Amino acid sequence: QKEVEQDPGPLSVPEGAIVSLNCTYSNSAFQYFMWYRQYSRKGPELLMYTYSSGNKEDGRFTAQVDKSSKYISLFIRDSQPSDSATYLCAMRTYSGAGSYQLTFGKGTKLSVIP
Amino acid sequence: DAGITQSPRYKITETGRQVTLMCHQTWSHSYMFWYRQDLGHGLRLIYYSAAADITDKGEVPDGYVVSRSKTENFPLTLESATRSQTSVYFCASSGGVLTGAPPGYTFGSGTRLTVV
Repeated sequence: QKEVEQDPGPLSVPEGAIVSLNCTYSNSAFQYFMWYRQYSRKGPELLMYTYSSGNKEDGRFTAQVDKSSKYISLFIRDSQPSDSATYLCAMRTYSGAGSYQLTFGKGTKLSVIP
Repeated sequence: DAGITQSPRYKITETGRQVTLMCHQTWSHSYMFWYRQDLGHGLRLIYYSAAADITDKGEVPDGYVVSRSKTENFPLTLESATRSQTSVYFCASSGGVLTGAPPGYTFGSGTRLTVV
């Protein structure tokens, strides 16, 4: 079993829809939970991050973490064609001596159709 | 310009040739990473470095060599390129836990390498 599982999609939704992207994980040592967005032919960029269980909101985006179920989600409200990208979840463990390690999901490709 | 830059953006090379991908960052981040990204596999860590002259293997290091003589540069060399090394390569950097920066890596724009 991979430490982080993410449905690769692809996911296609109409403009204005609510999008739900999810990851599950098995390592209880994960501390920070992140979502990266990657546009075509670009590098991943950090979109949101959370530390504890609960919700964190940033505009149309909400990141949700449920540590008891080892499950994280990213919700996109009022989705726009500009949200079309691959979304990768990432989780962080402390490696000692001030360093940390990220474990990535494989990414979900999202297309928002006008 | 501040940031992390990779060069070249695109590269076509022949099987058996040596090729070097360059990565340069301007933040003086201690940690630097090389990933390859392939359909169905996601991001896979090739090598990483905690500081100048300190490097370590990641998940898929075979066929690759890295060096880090200066903090800002982290080149990746394919000693004898094979078709299985056709991929998109990403360099990333991080300041580590103690810098107070957001808890993630910053990625370059990638190098798309084709081995024919």
